[in-house]
Amino acid sequence: NAGVMQNPRHLVRRRGQEARLRCSPMKGHSHVYWYRQLPEEGLKFMVYLQKENIIDESGMPKERFSAEFPKEGPSILRIQQVVRGDSAAYFCASSPPAVGEQFFGPGTRLTVL
Amino acid sequence: SQQGEEDPQALSIQEGENATMNCSYKTSINNLQWYRQNSGRGLVHLILIRSNEREKHSGRLRVTLDTSKKSSSLLITASRAADTASYFCATVVGQAGTALIFGKGTTLSVSS
Repeated sequence: NAGVMQNPRHLVRRRGQEARLRCSPMKGHSHVYWYRQLPEEGLKFMVYLQKENIIDESGMPKERFSAEFPKEGPSILRIQQVVRGDSAAYFCASSPPAVGEQFFGPGTRLTVL
Repeated sequence: SQQGEEDPQALSIQEGENATMNCSYKTSINNLQWYRQNSGRGLVHLILIRSNEREKHSGRLRVTLDTSKKSSSLLITASRAADTASYFCATVVGQAGTALIFGKGTTLSVSS
């Protein structure tokens, strides 16, 4: 059973470009979470999704950030018009439908030049 | 603000010694979890303790929870060089009651 997959592992963008980060949850997991980690910091919750639904986006910046988890395919975290402050590691986690352990992917390291 | 705060921020010990990390949190919780992160990697779940539990063991790990003090501790016994990593406590909060809120972590270095 493959773990949570994220791609790309590293992404470099220039200011103003768009960044698309993908996350494939573990098989059988219908809940996906996105977190952001700045250097020397803990992870900060961004958004929680189930298939075709955003359940909790209380941690998402109000502008430029969006997330989706379509019926088919991976979950996508999209950052439009990236700025240097968006440089961070973005982690995706998945879980089965219950409150408990979350399984994390290896992360995508976004660098904005 | 952070829900969980780990203490100490950094800890250096010798192989074979025990390592104790503490976590304090602010609001009521359903459960508290500890995760490990090796440098530049994703997080690995270590142990989950529910709010009605006081102590839990898993191999060389022992976690305690004191809900009256809103604190938890993680003890790693007989540490190994491979235990070198950052350790985070996380609590479940959020509108849907599932988002994990992490502290800044304790960086543990175990030298051989």
